[in-house]
Amino acid sequence: EAGVAQSPRYKIIEKRQSVAFWCNPISGHATLYWYQQILGQGPKLLIQFQNNGVVDDSQLPKDRFSAERLKGVDSTLKIQPAKLEDSAVYLCASSLLNNQETQYFGPGTRLLVL
Amino acid sequence: DQQVKQNSPSLSVQEGRISILNCDYTNSMFDYFLWYKKYPAEGPTFLISISSIKDKNEDGRFTVFLNKSAKHLSLHIVPSQPGDSAVYFCAATHSGNTPLVFGKGTRLSVIA
Repeated sequence: EAGVAQSPRYKIIEKRQSVAFWCNPISGHATLYWYQQILGQGPKLLIQFQNNGVVDDSQLPKDRFSAERLKGVDSTLKIQPAKLEDSAVYLCASSLLNNQETQYFGPGTRLLVL
Repeated sequence: DQQVKQNSPSLSVQEGRISILNCDYTNSMFDYFLWYKKYPAEGPTFLISISSIKDKNEDGRFTVFLNKSAKHLSLHIVPSQPGDSAVYFCAATHSGNTPLVFGKGTRLSVIA
């Protein structure tokens, strides 16, 4: 079974630029999560989708971050414009419907904002 | 406000000995706890979990203990192996319906 795929794996941009990350969850997983992991911290949930609907985006900085999951499968997370403090690993995870307890994580995208 | 705390950033253990990783939580609504293991350049992988109706869960070399009155859980790895060297994250949720809240992680180094 293929795991959660993410791209790119690494990205370096300058502040005020835009960046987008892509995630393909495990086939059949209705729930998709985006996390931000700052160096030395644990992952922090940014947004959770159930199929193509948003379940929780309470910790998403909506002035600069946006995410979509149009067809209920792939998802993109965008930052526009990026700030220095956005430097982090962005992790995508997926799980079966309503099964928070067993999330499968992708390898992450490491973002460096200069 | 950190609801899940892992106060030891790192731990070194000799191969074959026991590794004990600790986690404390403050939110009494949490009733399900998980441990994830993370290797460099990879995403976290689920290791073991425990529900608040239990005080112990065992899976091979890994055992998680939960002390609800102290709001404390620990992960025991016996015997420790060099391949166990990784960052271990403790996470908690309420009824599986609330987002996982992660601790900062503990880096375990198992020395051969």
